[in-house]
Amino acid sequence: GNSVTQMEGPVTLSEEAFLTINCTYTATGYPSLFWYVQYPGEGLQLLLKATKADDKGSNKGFEATYRKETTSFHLEKGSVQVSDSAVYFCALKQGYSTLTFGKGTMLLVSP
Amino acid sequence: NAGVTQTPKFQVLKTGQSMTLQCAQDMNHEYMSWYRQDPGMGLRLIHYSVGAGITDQGEVPNGYNVSRSTTEDFPLRLLSAAPSQTSVYFCASSSGTGDVSTEAFFGQGTRLTVV
Repeated sequence: GNSVTQMEGPVTLSEEAFLTINCTYTATGYPSLFWYVQYPGEGLQLLLKATKADDKGSNKGFEATYRKETTSFHLEKGSVQVSDSAVYFCALKQGYSTLTFGKGTMLLVSP
Repeated sequence: NAGVTQTPKFQVLKTGQSMTLQCAQDMNHEYMSWYRQDPGMGLRLIHYSVGAGITDQGEVPNGYNVSRSTTEDFPLRLLSAAPSQTSVYFCASSSGTGDVSTEAFFGQGTRLTVV
């Protein structure tokens, strides 16, 4: 079946540091890939997505590229802010199936 | 623009009690689902629905029932609450069931504690 593996956290960074959160997936065929973000006390909201190989999703300074050859969708940001502190979930969706989520990675950014 | 609305936000139950978690969406989405979020486990799918009158089980359905009588509403029923059901529950909806690119919209969550 489908699965998503992402790096365990928490990831602790200072403001303006570079961020990478690794995500790899297992799926048959060609899923769409997503990053969702969950701020404290809130539900999940879409951060970015990519629907085919080599697509790059981007939003709010975050980027991720759909790499079919390495089955990866790593999240990056060049300069994190304190307000980026949240839990980040990598997910995939395929056909009529629901979203399959990774376990989430907590990001803590200090001033 | 309400989106996905869950009630209640917090609930404490005694073991063996039953209750219904409410979920409503105003976006005319075909697809709705319930997840539970537990520390270190990510989000796990409980039940989902691809349209009114159609429901199916997800990864962890035991102890929960659902029904979908309208497009807007998708309540989750706990039949006999157990401490193992202590969790945060999220309802989500999306359009275009067969379109893999559509995003899911999530409610704010219900934090349930079973004592």
